Amino acid sequence: QVQLVESGGGLVKPGGSLRLSCAASGFIFSDYYMTWIRQAPGKGLEWVSYITSSGDSTFYADSVKGRFIISRDNAKNSLYLQMNSLRAEDTAIYYCARRDISTGYPIDYWGQGRLVTVSS
Amino acid sequence: QSVLTQPPSVSGAPGQRVTISCTGSSSSIGAGYHVNWYQQLPGTPPKLLIYGSNSRPSGVPDRFSGSKSGTSASLAITGVQAEDEADYYCQSRDNSLSGHVVFGGGTKLTVL
Repeated sequence: QVQLVESGGGLVKPGGSLRLSCAASGFIFSDYYMTWIRQAPGKGLEWVSYITSSGDSTFYADSVKGRFIISRDNAKNSLYLQMNSLRAEDTAIYYCARRDISTGYPIDYWGQGRLVTVSS
Repeated sequence: QSVLTQPPSVSGAPGQRVTISCTGSSSSIGAGYHVNWYQQLPGTPPKLLIYGSNSRPSGVPDRFSGSKSGTSASLAITGVQAEDEADYYCQSRDNSLSGHVVFGGGTKLTVL
């Protein structure tokens, strides 16, 4: 079965950096686009970034562009999110998720999420 | 403020039909992009409910259905049950934004 397990996260000071990892299993990782989505406490979902199956193209929300870097290692079935220059408004649960190729390109599997707290 | 607009809350008694709207624009739903719907129970990650505007993944009860027309989409729950109490999010694409992926602000369904 498809599994996405995030690691990393935690408490970091404003201006600091953090790296999230996501270990994928149960599917051919290199066949799928992957994405990061976040949810601030008590708030809605916000798309953060996605990366193509080969990793040759990346896309970012304007709110994180220039600060976050998404990457993947298909040999290790892993997805990453390097977060730099963190701000209080980046505090959220970060979900690793798979984007399917079905009509509408739905996000069909989600990890359990990792909490990132940016606070002094 | 979300690119896709949903009502903050809806409610219904068990067995009733409930609908949740998702309003976009000419650069999102109106541009022909499909809409996906997700259900999020408290303390859990979202779950795909409807994809491609009106298709259900296997395992999703047929009381959930989706539709799309013009710049809007709707999720309908026919015969709502207590276990359906959750947050619901629509998601689509918007060609005026980098990366294109957009979510609605979410709708809290309360089963009375």
